[in-house]
Amino acid sequence: NAGVMQNPRHLVRRRGQEARLRCSPMKGHSHVYWYRQLPEEGLKFMVYLQKENIIDESGMPKERFSAEFPKEGPSILRIQQVVRGDSAAYFCASSPSDREAFFGQGTRLTVV
Amino acid sequence: GQQLNQSPQSMFIQEGEDVSMNCTSSSIFNTWLWYKQDPGEGPVLLIALYKAGELTSNGRLTAQFGITRKDSFLNISASIPSDVGIYFCAGSFGNEKLTFGTGTRLTIIP
Repeated sequence: NAGVMQNPRHLVRRRGQEARLRCSPMKGHSHVYWYRQLPEEGLKFMVYLQKENIIDESGMPKERFSAEFPKEGPSILRIQQVVRGDSAAYFCASSPSDREAFFGQGTRLTVV
Repeated sequence: GQQLNQSPQSMFIQEGEDVSMNCTSSSIFNTWLWYKQDPGEGPVLLIALYKAGELTSNGRLTAQFGITRKDSFLNISASIPSDVGIYFCAGSFGNEKLTFGTGTRLTIIP
């Protein structure tokens, strides 16, 4: 049973481009979380999804950011028109229910 | 929203010492989780707790789910160099999101 897979591990985008971050949850997991982490800081909640539904997006900026978790395929975190302040590590975690959550290795986004 | 206070923020200890850190919440949880994060990596789950008063061990690590359901602690006995890293607590209630503490950075002094 493979762990949570995130890709790419590193992503460089120019200001104004779009960033698409992918997260494949562990097999049998229907819950996905996305967190953002700046260097030397904690994990900041962004969005919580269950298959095809957004349960809680209270941590996601209202503009430019969106997330989905389709019936088939990985969860996608999409950042449109990236700015330098979007540079961070983005972590995805998956869970079979409202219990323990397992993290991926993260995607490090650098906006130049 | 829920807030988690984790303390201490950082610890400097010598190899072989025991370590204790804790988290307190502004509201009750029914799940407490403890994670460790190494530089450049994702957090790794260490211990999961689901019942008030529950005490669970994982090798040299022991964690407890507080009776009030608003706190949890993690102990590490006889620390070794590979224990260095950042430890996070996390909690949730029902189907609500997992909320993380601010982390405890553990450093071992040679």
